[in-house]
Parts: sequence; C-alpha cells; structure tokens
Amino acid sequence: ETGVTQTPRHLVMGMTNKKSLKCEQHLGHNAMYWYKQSAKKPLELMFVYNFKEQTENNSVPSRFSPECPNSSHLFLHLHTLQPEDSALYLCASSQEGDVYEQYFGPGTRLTVT
Amino acid sequence: EDQVTQSPEALRLQEGESSSLNCSYTVSGLRGLFWYRQDPGKGPEFLFTLYSAGEEKEKERLKATLTKKESFLHITAPKPEDSATYLCAVTRLTGGGNKLTFGTGTQLKVEL
Repeated sequence: ETGVTQTPRHLVMGMTNKKSLKCEQHLGHNAMYWYKQSAKKPLELMFVYNFKEQTENNSVPSRFSPECPNSSHLFLHLHTLQPEDSALYLCASSQEGDVYEQYFGPGTRLTVT
Repeated sequence: EDQVTQSPEALRLQEGESSSLNCSYTVSGLRGLFWYRQDPGKGPEFLFTLYSAGEEKEKERLKATLTKKESFLHITAPKPEDSATYLCAVTRLTGGGNKLTFGTGTQLKVEL
C-alpha cells in the first residue's frame, strides 16, 4: 500500500467501550498527527509526534490516548467517550519541520452512542 | 492566536464558469500557506504550498496566489470533477513547529 492508511474506516461504540484507531504511513516520514474534523468546524489538531516523541497535545481530554511505537505507526486509544466526540478522525504524516506539507489518510468516521 | 477565514462558505458554478476562492489569514509571521482539496468521506488531498507574498503556483485548472493578508485559489473553466471542499491552512514562523491552523473550507459544486 502507499500513502497513509487508517483502520477502521467506520466505528460505532458505546460510551463505556474501549477501542483503538490505527494509522500507518508508507511515505518515509518522521512526523505524524491526529486531527478531529467535526461538521462546520475547522480541522482541530489533537496530537503531534516527531521522531516517535509527542511534541504537541492540544488540550485533548484524557479519554483520548495516543501511542506512536515507531515513525510509521500511530494509534489513538479511545475510552469512555462522549457523544460529542463523534467526528471524522484524520491521521496525517510529513517530514519533520514546519515547511513540509502533511499527507492525510482517509479518516475513521466515529459514532459514539 | 492564528486565524484563517475562508469565503465563500459555498459556491455553485456552471461548468466553464471561472471563479476564485478566498483565504484570509492572521498569523504572527507566516511560514507557509497550504491549500488542500477534500472529497466527501475522504481525507484532505494536498494541492499547493505558498511561502511568500507574490508567489503563485498552478496545477491544471487551479492557480493559487498569495499576498501579505490573503490567498486566492483561482479555478479556470471548472469541470464537475472539481467539485469538492477546498481547505486553506497556515503555519507560522516561530513557535509554530509543524502545526497547521485550518479554515472551515469552501464547498464548491460545479454543475453541467
């Protein structure tokens, strides 16, 4: 596969469930990101990892827990979510630094019931 | 705080009817301005990066320009396949790292 892949593409979970989102990039990049996209709102940056180290946590609630075991893989562990957490969760990757464009995966459409 | 405002929110064009999308930004020292295209149910697809006022980039029917306060995405003779949401984002010179601040996008519909 090429580019940035995300699984699952769709997820429905109850508020008491625990689930994980997975992202994999095949571009040789060393920075990875999680974004949240809700209707009528701009993409919201959640977490940034550079060379597997978390460099940004944009005041995200602790019910979202990221994990980056290596530069190619990124996870978002979910637990005790709220209905307002329903959104499209996007993973992206780039070369490390502020001049490089980010490449996005197709996203996981999450619905919390 | 960095801000990005896109207008219009939605735009409907006839095939072949050229137009422009606007992205106004407020950022403490612009490092780069990015344009993305997003189709329904998909992630954003990278189009262009602009770094300094006066810069222009082109790709097929799209041309992006940059001034000190805004960027325009010009669409020449659009086709139905150009229908998508176009997103603008900025990153700043200092303290911005690789964080992008996005606008809410312009939803473009091109009809036959």
